[in-house]
Amino acid sequence: KQEVTQIPAALSVPEGENLVLNCSFTDSAIYNLQWFRQDPGKGLTSLLLIQSSQREQTSGRLNASLDKSSGRSTLYIAASQPGDSATYLCAANTNAGKSTFGDGTTLTVKP
Amino acid sequence: EAQVTQNPRYLITVTGKKLTVTCSQNMNHEYMSWYRQDPGLGLRQIYYSMNVEVTDKGDVPEGYKVSRKEKRNFPLILESPSPNQTSLYFCASSRYRGRAYNSPLHFGNGTRLTVT
Repeated sequence: KQEVTQIPAALSVPEGENLVLNCSFTDSAIYNLQWFRQDPGKGLTSLLLIQSSQREQTSGRLNASLDKSSGRSTLYIAASQPGDSATYLCAANTNAGKSTFGDGTTLTVKP
Repeated sequence: EAQVTQNPRYLITVTGKKLTVTCSQNMNHEYMSWYRQDPGLGLRQIYYSMNVEVTDKGDVPEGYKVSRKEKRNFPLILESPSPNQTSLYFCASSRYRGRAYNSPLHFGNGTRLTVT
């Protein structure tokens, strides 16, 4: 059974700092991996989707990498801003439609 | 506007009283899925559907039913709700091509269910 772990569980940084969030998964037979952002009381917003054949994806200040063989993905956030404060989740998805989510990393960016 | 709509947003009910949470998407997505989110347990998949009339169990299907009679709708049915089904529920959808979905999951805003 797939297990997804996110480290750290919480992170507090000053504004402007670059940071890395980690996601690890136990079963490398994934089809893609997706990173989400969740604000309190809200749904999940998709940030980046990396196919299993890809190594990384970029969107603005966000860069996500994927290493299937080692079961790891990282989300890099450049020049963090207070508006980046949220919980970030990763999900490992199979080609049969099953999704396994990590517990998330709660990020606080202080002005 | 492309969106996934869940109703209701909040629901308080009593043990044993059947209820349905609706989910509708306007993006012509083939794939739809239900999740529950609980503190300390994260998001867990309940049921999913690859297309009309095709549904499969996720990790925590016990106590839930789903149906997919139309492409746009994927209701979640609790035939006899119990207090341990108190949770925050999310519906999501995605395009599905070839052997898997390769486009991002789009989530609804959630339904907070309390069963007393």
